[in-house]
Amino acid sequence: ETGVTQTPRHLVMGMTNKKSLKCEQHLGHNAMYWYKQSAKKPLELMFVYNFKEQTENNSVPSRFSPECPNSSHLFLHLHTLQPEDSALYLCASSQDVRGTLGHNEQFFGPGTRLTVL
Amino acid sequence: QKEVEQDPGPLSVPEGAIVSLNCTYSNSAFQYFMWYRQYSRKGPELLMYTYSSGNKEDGRFTAQVDKSSKYISLFIRDSQPSDSATYLCAMGSNTGNQFYFGTGTSLTVIP
Repeated sequence: ETGVTQTPRHLVMGMTNKKSLKCEQHLGHNAMYWYKQSAKKPLELMFVYNFKEQTENNSVPSRFSPECPNSSHLFLHLHTLQPEDSALYLCASSQDVRGTLGHNEQFFGPGTRLTVL
Repeated sequence: QKEVEQDPGPLSVPEGAIVSLNCTYSNSAFQYFMWYRQYSRKGPELLMYTYSSGNKEDGRFTAQVDKSSKYISLFIRDSQPSDSATYLCAMGSNTGNQFYFGTGTSLTVIP
């Protein structure tokens, strides 16, 4: 295991539901990330948090709302999603965000498979 | 133009073959290069991490970076059925705080 856990592993929700994805890292890292992985597309970076502060928001629609209460936990709150939001949502963590050899490798969780009906 | 180009495959080889996986990129500022392996229904797992140009070897895996050609490769020697997975390349720069990923190459090693 990588030291990054995600729950739930699978989620099916309707377009009017509100749900949350949870990520926890046990590696003592300072940075955490949310990615979206869709078939035949590169991983899309959604959000980056460094020391609990959001440092990156890659033009993600407001129906996705991240929360980082501390360096070990990251949430992704979902509301009024669209069917095209169905994907694998991956959480990752790294020691640092900036290019520092040996410190910016990202370790991924197993992902949450989200289906929006 | 995409930041990173990777042939999605699928690639199918017999057990014991040498596998070559490749990515090209357009941003000359990239300095960090990674290869991840992703099994079905799992998250990506870091395999190799290199900085700047050159080779790095780890067991049956060798990563090569040619910055002049903006081309990186992952070689797998004596491939095993357990190597069957999707391989993702990723890269980043000293100034950015994100990595750019390829689409992944699906590899099947046939016993």
